[in-house]
Amino acid sequence: DTEVTQTPKHLVMGMTNKKSLKCEQHMGHRAMYWYKQKAKKPPELMFVYSYEKLSINESVPSRFSPECPNSSLLNLHLHALQPEDSALYLCASSQGGGGTSNQPQHFGDGTRLSIL
Amino acid sequence: QKEVEQDPGPLSVPEGAIVSLNCTYSNSAFQYFMWYRQYSRKGPELLMYTYSSGNKEDGRFTAQVDKSSKYISLFIRDSQPSDSATYLCAMIKAAGNKLTFGGGTRVLVKP
Repeated sequence: DTEVTQTPKHLVMGMTNKKSLKCEQHMGHRAMYWYKQKAKKPPELMFVYSYEKLSINESVPSRFSPECPNSSLLNLHLHALQPEDSALYLCASSQGGGGTSNQPQHFGDGTRLSIL
Repeated sequence: QKEVEQDPGPLSVPEGAIVSLNCTYSNSAFQYFMWYRQYSRKGPELLMYTYSSGNKEDGRFTAQVDKSSKYISLFIRDSQPSDSATYLCAMIKAAGNKLTFGGGTRVLVKP
């Protein structure tokens, strides 16, 4: 079991639905991340939160909206997704924060998202 | 050219053999190096984290970093079928918290 918990594990949604992915960690980490991973590819960074503030947005379409309510929680709100958005969405966290955290990232097991 | 190159495999070895994995990188700004193991339908699991040239050992795993050659390796001794997974190298530049991944190597350990 990982120390980064993601829910739900699986999600199927239509292109007009609104849903949210959730991530929780209790390791006291102050940096949290969202990644997208397609089959047979490495994870691609989407967003970085540092001390609950958005510090990096890798030019992700606005149909993905991140939120960090507190230091332990990270959400990803989804709206009007496209079939090509079907992927494994991974959350990660690391110690420290700011823009210079060189600590390793710890990943959850992801949410497998399918867009119909 | 990708910043981090990793042979995609698959790398097939018999049980008990040594698995040898490596990555090369082009940017000397990378200073911190990680190896992750990812099973199918699971998230990446951190195996090793190093930040200096040389060797680091943890159980059956040994990570090597050669910054002068921009080359990192992971060795798995006494490989088991349960080691069958995709192995991802990753690295971070001295300033910044963005991981740059290699493409991953799929490893198959046959009983």
